[in-house]
Amino acid sequence: GDSVTQTEGQVTVSESKSLIINCTYSATSIAYPNLFWYVRYPGEGLQLLLKVITAGQKGSSRGFEATYNKETTSFHLQKASVQESDSAVYYCALSDNVGDNSKLIWGLGTSLVVNP
Amino acid sequence: EAAVTQSPRNKVTVTGGNVTLSCRQTNSHNYMYWYRQDTGHGLRLIHYSYGAGNLQIGDVPDGYKATRTTQEDFFLLLELASPSQTSLYFCASSPYRVNQDTQYFGPGTRLLVL
Repeated sequence: GDSVTQTEGQVTVSESKSLIINCTYSATSIAYPNLFWYVRYPGEGLQLLLKVITAGQKGSSRGFEATYNKETTSFHLQKASVQESDSAVYYCALSDNVGDNSKLIWGLGTSLVVNP
Repeated sequence: EAAVTQSPRNKVTVTGGNVTLSCRQTNSHNYMYWYRQDTGHGLRLIHYSYGAGNLQIGDVPDGYKATRTTQEDFFLLLELASPSQTSLYFCASSPYRVNQDTQYFGPGTRLLVL
């Protein structure tokens, strides 16, 4: 079945440093799934950070960006300079994109802690 | 901005207890979902619905019932709660199925079953 693997556990970064959270996927039900990054800030629900539906394209939001790489089946999340307010849990997900029964397949989440 | 609210935000019950989690969305979205989030697991889909009176089974439905009473309201029922159902529960909604769309999430309900 389809699956998403992302950087496990917690990532700690100092403010103003760069960040990368790895995400790779396996999609057996569809050749080109839609790819998503969601973020959950403390005490809040998940919210969409960015999504890309076309292989080779890059999505960006709030200084974060991720490129849909079908050759390496990856969708890594990057930011050049993190801020303390970026501390949150980040989830990579894919949509199998198959009609009304399509669903989101989720990674385990990566907790980002940004130290001042 | 889509608004999804959940109640209660925190709940403690005992094994065998009866629990109802409530979710309301105010944007007339067709689809609503219940997920659970546990350490070591991604979000797991319990049940979902594409309209009032409709119910679809998700990936981890055992021990849960759900009911969609209106376009806005979706309830998750645990009739005989067990400690294995201790979890963080999220409700979400979307205008139509996932394809090229975005799910809007509530803030979550933290349930502890003693």
